Amino acid sequence: GQQLNQSPQSMFIQEGEDVSMNCTSSSIFNTWLWYKQDPGEGPVLLIALYKAGELTSNGRLTAQFGITRKDSFLNISASIPSDVGIYFCAGPLLPNNAGNMLTFGGGTRLMVKP
Amino acid sequence: SQTIHQWPATLVQPVGSPLSLECTVEGTSNPNLYWYRQAAGRGLQLLFYSVGIGQISSEVPQNLSASRPQDRQFILSSKKLLLSDSGFYLCAWSPSSLRTQYFGPGTRLLVL
Repeated sequence: GQQLNQSPQSMFIQEGEDVSMNCTSSSIFNTWLWYKQDPGEGPVLLIALYKAGELTSNGRLTAQFGITRKDSFLNISASIPSDVGIYFCAGPLLPNNAGNMLTFGGGTRLMVKP
Repeated sequence: SQTIHQWPATLVQPVGSPLSLECTVEGTSNPNLYWYRQAAGRGLQLLFYSVGIGQISSEVPQNLSASRPQDRQFILSSKKLLLSDSGFYLCAWSPSSLRTQYFGPGTRLLVL
């Protein structure tokens, strides 16, 4: 089945640094979603990408839909302590998906050194 | 705007007891609804989804069941809880026309 591989699994960064993480698949996706989950809460949708090559920003976050449609990248600029959390990528299962079901990556756990 | 509610927020139950978790969505009609479970520090496992009232699809065989008695209400149940049912349960909704999902705040279940 379709699998999404996220990298890195976890990372420590210094406050103020830029962060990059990615999500890859052996299958083509027509949508890429990026979520952030704070401890003890539900995931929150950060950015949705619907077109190959698309680059979308949300504040200090920027995500790109890879041109091969098999990967996506999320960048966080000038990280701050509240960026701590788990970042998940997700995409819709294909080809038949009447229920809009998603497959999720394993997550990237971001930890910031104050 | 749309909002999604889950309750209770936290639940501690003995092994063998029944379970009922509720999820409701406001501000939309005919949403797709989903139940996920998340083990500590792990990813999301889809348990059930529903595309309409009374329509439930199960993704994994288990001790749990789901029901959708109303358009914007989704219930997760069990007749007898197991220790392995402990976890963080998330409800999500999706507009039928968009390939995105929006999550509720979750219910933390501890089975002792």
